[in-house]
Amino acid sequence: AQSVTQPDIHITVSEGASLELRCNYSYGATPYLFWYVQSPGQGLQLLLKYFSGDTLVQGIKGFEAEFKRSQSSFNLRKPSVHWSDAAEYFCAVGAREYGNKLVFGAGTILRVKS
Amino acid sequence: DVKVTQSSRYLVKRTGEKVFLECVQDMDHENMFWYRQDPGLGLRLIYFSYDVKMKEKGDIPEGYSVSREKKERFSLILESASTNQTSMYLCASSPTGQGYNEQFFGPGTRLTVL
Repeated sequence: AQSVTQPDIHITVSEGASLELRCNYSYGATPYLFWYVQSPGQGLQLLLKYFSGDTLVQGIKGFEAEFKRSQSSFNLRKPSVHWSDAAEYFCAVGAREYGNKLVFGAGTILRVKS
Repeated sequence: DVKVTQSSRYLVKRTGEKVFLECVQDMDHENMFWYRQDPGLGLRLIYFSYDVKMKEKGDIPEGYSVSREKKERFSLILESASTNQTSMYLCASSPTGQGYNEQFFGPGTRLTVL
């Protein structure tokens, strides 16, 4: 079965600093990978997704992620964090064999200090 | 834009009550999902539906049932609410595909069972 690990429960960064959120997945074939963001009291919004092609994916709000097959990772990055980026971030994995279901990681809560 | 709406943002019920959570999507998506979100556990799939009147159990279906009589509407039912069902409930929808389609989320319903 596929699984997703987000090793960091909480991360605190200073405004303007760079950010990297880690995501590791367990799946034998090529997965479909997603990053979602959840602002307080809101539903989840898609930041970016990868399913084929260029392994560096650009998303909304200045985020990017890189798929590294050898490391089974799909880490999310942003060069300069803004206070409005404070939220919870979820990595998710899908696969052809699992139809339309996604498996989500436990989430990483990002705090931004000024 | 895809819109997924949920009938209530906040709900307070008593133990033993029957609870209905409603979800409506306006993009003619075939798939609809109900998740439960708890701190540190991420999103866990309760049930999903890939067509009208079709449903499949997710990872934690115990204590829940669902109904999908119309394509745009997916209801989650707690037959006899218990305190351990206090949680955030998220509904999502997606078009049919091979696992690479993103899911679109509603704002969530925070349910408290007293």
